[in-house]
Amino acid sequence: GAGVSQSPSNKVTEKGKDVELRCDPISGHTALYWYRQSLGQGLEFLIYFQGNSAPDKSGLPSDRFSAERTGGSVSTLTIQRTQQEDSAVYLCASSLVRVANTGELFFGEGSRLTVL
Amino acid sequence: AQSVAQPEDQVNVAEGNPLTVKCTYSVSGNPYLFWYVQYPNRGLQFLLKYITGDNLVKGSYGFEAEFNKSQTSFHLKKPSALVSDSALYFCAVRERSNYQLIWGAGTKLIIKP
Repeated sequence: GAGVSQSPSNKVTEKGKDVELRCDPISGHTALYWYRQSLGQGLEFLIYFQGNSAPDKSGLPSDRFSAERTGGSVSTLTIQRTQQEDSAVYLCASSLVRVANTGELFFGEGSRLTVL
Repeated sequence: AQSVAQPEDQVNVAEGNPLTVKCTYSVSGNPYLFWYVQYPNRGLQFLLKYITGDNLVKGSYGFEAEFNKSQTSFHLKKPSALVSDSALYFCAVRERSNYQLIWGAGTKLIIKP
């Protein structure tokens, strides 16, 4: 597609349930980021994928959070045993990465997660 | 520690007046500097970036930003604000050798008719 696609756009779940959020980056973009944005807050880095390199998971807030990227394209962010504090908008972004890259990130519209 | 500061949570400007959204940073070396905008219920969109060269960078929707190395600032400006400019604006900085962006907390810009 022309842009970064995220699904679902909205997800309401009960505390304790698992959720999966999907990101389909722009074709050819080798870098993929997941961020979390709480209401009225800035962006919290979660995880970064770049090609076949090991992902940077340093931003994942707990072991309930995990992410994978299959075939260097689509990524899935999984939150297990959701808690109310997980309620937020989860943003995915992709980017080209080249030598001396200065390129900007292209963001999806986000997945809004509400944990009841 | 590396950081980006957007000192104003909210900026209110009358339509037609000039606007400035402030950003200062504390990052080593000569970083890349970015501005992004987030319209209500939308993802972030790239506005402009500073890499090197002229200190005044022009971007989308008539926005520009002025890089000041001595003050480590990268303020976003527009000569004449539109109501449609009302949105959340984020400043971000990246070291040249690093893929990670350091984000400001965002500034809500409200343009009143």
